[in-house]
Amino acid sequence: GEDVEQSLFLSVREGDSSVINCTYTDSSSTYLYWYKQEPGAGLQLLTYIFSNMDMKQDQRLTVLLNKKDKHLSLRIADTQTGDSAIYFCAESIGGSYIPTFGRGTSLIVHP
Amino acid sequence: DAGVIQSPRHEVTEMGQEVTLRCKPISGHNSLFWYRQTMMRGLELLIYFNNNVPIDDSGMPEDRFSAKMPNASFSTLKIQPSEPRDSAVYFCASTQSGALATISGNTIYFGEGSWLTVV
Repeated sequence: GEDVEQSLFLSVREGDSSVINCTYTDSSSTYLYWYKQEPGAGLQLLTYIFSNMDMKQDQRLTVLLNKKDKHLSLRIADTQTGDSAIYFCAESIGGSYIPTFGRGTSLIVHP
Repeated sequence: DAGVIQSPRHEVTEMGQEVTLRCKPISGHNSLFWYRQTMMRGLELLIYFNNNVPIDDSGMPEDRFSAKMPNASFSTLKIQPSEPRDSAVYFCASTQSGALATISGNTIYFGEGSWLTVV
């Protein structure tokens, strides 16, 4: 199986919360990331979390990390149409600066 | 600050032609990556350089693909001859590796991509 797994699609209504999930296999992961790719653009870092943290909040974004289950989630509160994009989960291991990316989750926000 | 700059943004070429994609990393970054994105395979790491030296090119699909980094501010990815199955978005990315990178979480910064269509 792949090292980082995500579901491919998520559809939510505008104003609702979105939760994008990710699982990874390497327990020695040091950093876990969420990148956002808007249509026709490159990947932009949204946020990252150190593996010794459980949660990180940044305005409408909340990242939760469950190290025991190797599960990472990104919650977007009050989802807007501008949040429609592909969201990539990625991990990197201490000493390596090369992240391993998931396939990406396409978030579709409808009125 | 300027981000990672790629050119061309879009290219349409005929099968068999040579394609050269260019990248200027963020100033001060010492690691550079070339990725390919397709619907079928997602985001694939093709090759990466550290301090201008190719470290791992195991992701380069075939001998038709080659990459160079003659100096710290420039890299090329060349496909010769190109084939329709090479149609994809090619991303260049850069980061600062080493102790300072640890502070910033080893963040990789991507360019806007070169959208290649081979017909």
